[in-house]
Parts: sequence; structure tokens; C-alpha cells
Amino acid sequence: DTAVSQTPKYLVTQMGNDKSIKCEQNLGHDTMYWYKQDSKKFLKIMFSYNNKELIINETVPNRFSPKSPDKAHLNLHINSLELGDSAVYFCASSQVAGSYEQYFGPGTRLTVT
Amino acid sequence: GENVEQHPSTLSVQEGDSAVIKCTYSDSASNYFPWYKQELGKRPQLIIDIRSNVGEKKDQRIAVTLNKTAKHFSLHITETQPEDSAVYFCAAFSGSARQLTFGSGTQLTVLP
Repeated sequence: DTAVSQTPKYLVTQMGNDKSIKCEQNLGHDTMYWYKQDSKKFLKIMFSYNNKELIINETVPNRFSPKSPDKAHLNLHINSLELGDSAVYFCASSQVAGSYEQYFGPGTRLTVT
Repeated sequence: GENVEQHPSTLSVQEGDSAVIKCTYSDSASNYFPWYKQELGKRPQLIIDIRSNVGEKKDQRIAVTLNKTAKHFSLHITETQPEDSAVYFCAAFSGSARQLTFGSGTQLTVLP
């Protein structure tokens, strides 16, 4: 069974478009995250949600907005896509917020042309 | 906020040799230090972690050491095998910042 899943796996779109990436976890975890991994492989936290409440909001552009309909889902919506948004986006979850193992999804490779 | 530095950025070793990756952190409030392995095109996966009340932890061929005074921690892989080839990330969790900060990664290549 897949613990953390994301869709789509690949996303190619043009500048200016709006797109969403979906994430679901079946681990019963309380906290979910979004990370961005750029071309140099650097992993940077974007958002985390704990029990449907935003607990960390890194200084990402407000074109990015996380949406959590319930504890098992954390979607990422991106408005007015730019070339610099091209990256791999990973969703992750952990039992609770804090010093616990984070389980990553398979990633979504976003390419903005 | 927390800053994690990781060295080296690339590391090549012969199969059977040992590999050591080092990280330093800046926030003395950090209390959890995981290491993740990411194979090409795959997701990061936890391989070992250590908490601030422990100085060393081992799991088969992998060990992690922590020096709280110096604020550095290291990953040691013994008897390396080709399947150990991957990018390894260290990270530090700061309770004050409430987030996991990753190092910049080390590309480990084990040569057969």
C-alpha cells in the first residue's frame, strides 16, 4: 500500500497558467508538508499543516497556496506559474509536528515552459 | 533560523571502503538530526536518525555521531556497496523554528 501518494507525477505547463498538485497519506499522520527540490537537489520546506492548520509558512511567493480539505490530504495550488517554479515538489507527512520521521511522496516534476 | 552545512558535496569511494559525511548546524535548540538517502529519481527516505540526548547510534553498516558542543554530526557508512550510491542529506530539527532544515546533499558514488 502506498503511504504517501502524489498526482500528477509529471506536469508540463506554460508560464502564466494555474496548476494544482494533490497529495494524500494513509498513515494516519497529523502533519503534512510540501518541499521544493531545485535542479541542484536542494530540499527546502515550503509549508506544513498540522490538523488542518498551517503551522509553518516559509517565505514563498503568495502564488503558492496549500489547501487541506482533511487531515489525510494537502494539496498545493500554484497561480501564474513562472519559469523559476520548475522543480520537483515533494509532499511528506509525519506522525506529529516535530522531531519525527517524515515520509515522502514520490514527487511531482513540474516543468514550466 | 537554522542553517545546516554539509560536506563534501561529492564523494567517491571504492567498494568495501568507508564513507564519512559531515554536517554542522547553527541553532543550539535543534534536538533531532535525521539522515535521508535519495536514489536517482526517487523520494528521500530516512536511513538513520539521532536525538540530542545521544552521542552515537548504529544500525548495521551505518552509524551517526553527534557532538552537541561543536554542533556537528556525521554519517559513517562502512563496507560500502554499489547500492549505497545515492545523494545523502543531513537535516536538523529546531524546536524554536518548528521545521526540518536540510543540508545541501552529498552525492556518494561507490565504485565497483
